[in-house]
Amino acid sequence: GIQVEQSPPDLILQEGANSTLRCNFSDSVNNLQWFHQNPWGQLINLFYIPSGTKQNGRLSATTVATERYSLLYISSSQTTDSGVYFCAVPRSFGNEKLTFGTGTRLTIIP
Amino acid sequence: DAGVIQSPRHEVTEMGQEVTLRCKPISGHDYLFWYRQTMMRGLELLIYFNNNVPIDDSGMPEDRFSAKMPNASFSTLKIQPSEPRDSAVYFCASSRQGETGEQYFGPGTRLTVT
Repeated sequence: GIQVEQSPPDLILQEGANSTLRCNFSDSVNNLQWFHQNPWGQLINLFYIPSGTKQNGRLSATTVATERYSLLYISSSQTTDSGVYFCAVPRSFGNEKLTFGTGTRLTIIP
Repeated sequence: DAGVIQSPRHEVTEMGQEVTLRCKPISGHDYLFWYRQTMMRGLELLIYFNNNVPIDDSGMPEDRFSAKMPNASFSTLKIQPSEPRDSAVYFCASSRQGETGEQYFGPGTRLTVT
């Protein structure tokens, strides 16, 4: 099945810093999602981004499907950005089942 | 529009007891998914439904687990009898037909089996 790798596994930043999280996947995909799991355990949809670039406030994401990667940018980090960020892609083209990456744990220090 | 609703949010039970977790998907969504998350195994898909019909239950760990979806707005995941190794956070998610992969997760049920 498709493999999904995220990097870095851990990231510790000072409040106000910018960060880039990466998601690599091993096969063609027709969609990709980014989630934020906050310290309370809730999984929050950030982006549904099969290709191109989207922005939502301080967050933006870019997926380059032909090169099999996606990037999540967080600017001017806040402590509320702490948590684990997951990317997820369908297990195969058109499959409803998702394969999740292992996540990037982001810690923002005040 | 309300998101995915799960109840209870926390459940503590003794080994051997029956546990029932509940989920209400987002209105209009055709797919419903049950996941389990543990530190050791991460997020695992247990089962998913399409239009109330179970499509793939290959992730259900054993016969002690069962799931039903009697109508478009309600699903249950039952564990009987429960064991300590079932302790985990159980998430329900839903998505709309034609938007493959865009799943929305509920807040989860944290289950502790003592």
